[in-house]
Amino acid sequence: QSALTQPASVSGSPGQSITISCTGTSSDVGGYNYVSWYQQHPGKAPKLMIYDVTNRPSGVSNRFSGSKSGNTASLTISGLQAEDESNYYCSSYTTRSTVVFGGGTKLTVL
Amino acid sequence: EVQLVESGGGLVQPGGSLRLSCAASGFTLSSYWMHWVRQAPGKGLMWVSHVNSDGSTTTYADSVKGRFTISGDNAKNTLFLQMNSLRAEDTAVYYCVRGGRHTSGAFDIWGQGTMVTVSS
Repeated sequence: QSALTQPASVSGSPGQSITISCTGTSSDVGGYNYVSWYQQHPGKAPKLMIYDVTNRPSGVSNRFSGSKSGNTASLTISGLQAEDESNYYCSSYTTRSTVVFGGGTKLTVL
Repeated sequence: EVQLVESGGGLVQPGGSLRLSCAASGFTLSSYWMHWVRQAPGKGLMWVSHVNSDGSTTTYADSVKGRFTISGDNAKNTLFLQMNSLRAEDTAVYYCVRGGRHTSGAFDIWGQGTMVTVSS
């Protein structure tokens, strides 16, 4: 099972919006509305930010939003803040009843 | 407080075995799909295995199939990962993760991770 494709890095200035893409296939991202996004600070466990493509868990800022079109899902962070600087991973359920992650994207807040 | 605490990691020689444990508190393990996810040093996340909520179905990543076994002890509210025939490429932090109640689900609760190092 190949990993989902994410850009290695993205950057933005405080207050701006950025979008991280996550491209898979019809066997994963395109086949299910089971895409999640995780934030991971160095040395820490990942934190769930978005689930089922568009839903935010309780306690996650509404500056974080998710969407999907075809085989590509996206995470958008609006009103960038310094604390958003982190690594972000997408994941999807697959037709093989497995889960696949993206390779991760390092977000730098300039 | 809902919490997962892993233990059992350590240094093991190639070809050796290790059993990881994950103690759950604040919720009943058998009500959720449970997963193991690993992260090699400096690398991304990789899903390893899951067991469904009633324990009837287990699934594994191709790279660990036939070598790793996921299981649970409902009485102890603990999840396990038995790892055999370990290879250098299995070196990683292993996270115990909670999934959904009726499906694989999103991973909403993560343990702190336990480090497994496979080296001679």
